[in-house]
Amino acid sequence: IAGITQAPTSQILAAGRRMTLRCTQDMRHNAMYWYRQDLGLGLRLIHYSNTAGTTGKGEVPDGYSVSRANTDDFPLTLASAVPSQTSVYFCASSDSSDTDTQYFGPGTRLTVL
Amino acid sequence: GQNIDQPTEMTATEGAIVQINCTYQTSGFNGLFWYQQHAGEAPTFLSYNVLDGLEEKGRFSSFLSRSKGYSYLLLKELQMKDSASYLCAVIDSNYQLIWGAGTKLIIKP
Repeated sequence: IAGITQAPTSQILAAGRRMTLRCTQDMRHNAMYWYRQDLGLGLRLIHYSNTAGTTGKGEVPDGYSVSRANTDDFPLTLASAVPSQTSVYFCASSDSSDTDTQYFGPGTRLTVL
Repeated sequence: GQNIDQPTEMTATEGAIVQINCTYQTSGFNGLFWYQQHAGEAPTFLSYNVLDGLEEKGRFSSFLSRSKGYSYLLLKELQMKDSASYLCAVIDSNYQLIWGAGTKLIIKP
């Protein structure tokens, strides 16, 4: 692994189903982030983690949950998907949560029907 | 509220120079990033400004004026591969990164 990986690349999901988006980084970065990107809008922060064992809510956390059991992994779970969660999801990481550059994974394109 | 404004779309000619502006109103300021995002791909880091002035990096330069809440990204000697969206993002007083909606740059031959 080099950098950040996300899985799956894309997914079509029925409304009401549970879904976990995976994110793994091998850069030993302390901070990790989940964003959604919708047409015409800037990246919006869903949840973040400043270090392993801690998580926080971003701008649009409702309907999503995260965990950070270790440094490398930061999965995002949709407990019961709704069509408004159709989006492209990006995971990112940075060395610290202050002013360090964020590096992005390739994204997951999710469609909820 | 916090706001970052960028033009939605710009068109330029191969070989020319283009300037993409970004104005921001945020609660505090701890730095400004520019990212490039090709269609269907992840954003990639271009530049970071925290002090006023111009930062030059090859064909790309980024300028910041904190007093005016203004930055621009200057792209010289445009190439077709520069066709992408350019995202401006500001770190606010809580060290949250606030993103603009991005400027789609179209390069014509």
